[in-house]
Amino acid sequence: SQQGEEDPQALSIQEGENATMNCSYKTSINNLQWYRQNSGRGLVHLILIRSNEREKHSGRLRVTLDTSKKSSSLLITASRAADTASYFCATADNYGQNFVFGPGTRLSVLP
Amino acid sequence: DSGVTQTPKHLITATGQRVTLRCSPRSGDLSVYWYQQSLDQGLQFLIQYYNGEERAKGNILERFSAQQFPDLHSELNLSSLELGDSALYFCASSPRSVDSSPLHFGNGTRLTVT
Repeated sequence: SQQGEEDPQALSIQEGENATMNCSYKTSINNLQWYRQNSGRGLVHLILIRSNEREKHSGRLRVTLDTSKKSSSLLITASRAADTASYFCATADNYGQNFVFGPGTRLSVLP
Repeated sequence: DSGVTQTPKHLITATGQRVTLRCSPRSGDLSVYWYQQSLDQGLQFLIQYYNGEERAKGNILERFSAQQFPDLHSELNLSSLELGDSALYFCASSPRSVDSSPLHFGNGTRLTVT
């Protein structure tokens, strides 16, 4: 079964709005990572947050991690049409292995 | 460009056949991961190799096998193919086996079984 589960499955917003995606996982983790996938292409790493971190920023991306709730969120601020893609969370086990991906959130940013 | 190369990009074959997918990891990366992505199953972890040795196994069918060669390239062999094996197969690499490095993905091989 999937370790990570993203929510919502699909999200449609207007350009300039913020987009928030959530990820829940089941077991203890070493770190949690977010990836982006443009249609039919390989995944691209966006940001990594370790289990002892609570929040991390990278440009217009903000990631939070709540290990007590086993959940993470990805916030994309001031979204652009080019942000249209699928976003996946991935967790690694306590040994830093077994990267398991959730089913993803399909984000559509309308111009 | 991630530096991970997968060949071929597209593969069309018939049920019952056998195919081999190839992956060259990013220069310097020792660990290779294989994933299967289909419409209804998301991204499924198949198997991981590190410096030639199998390191972790996921939902890989017995009809599937993989190996990593001394030059660190990897091959995924799929045999007795079924219609349900149609999917995108991704290879990813990272520098080590047990660490927090992000994965670098190739652009995948799209397999169509008819």
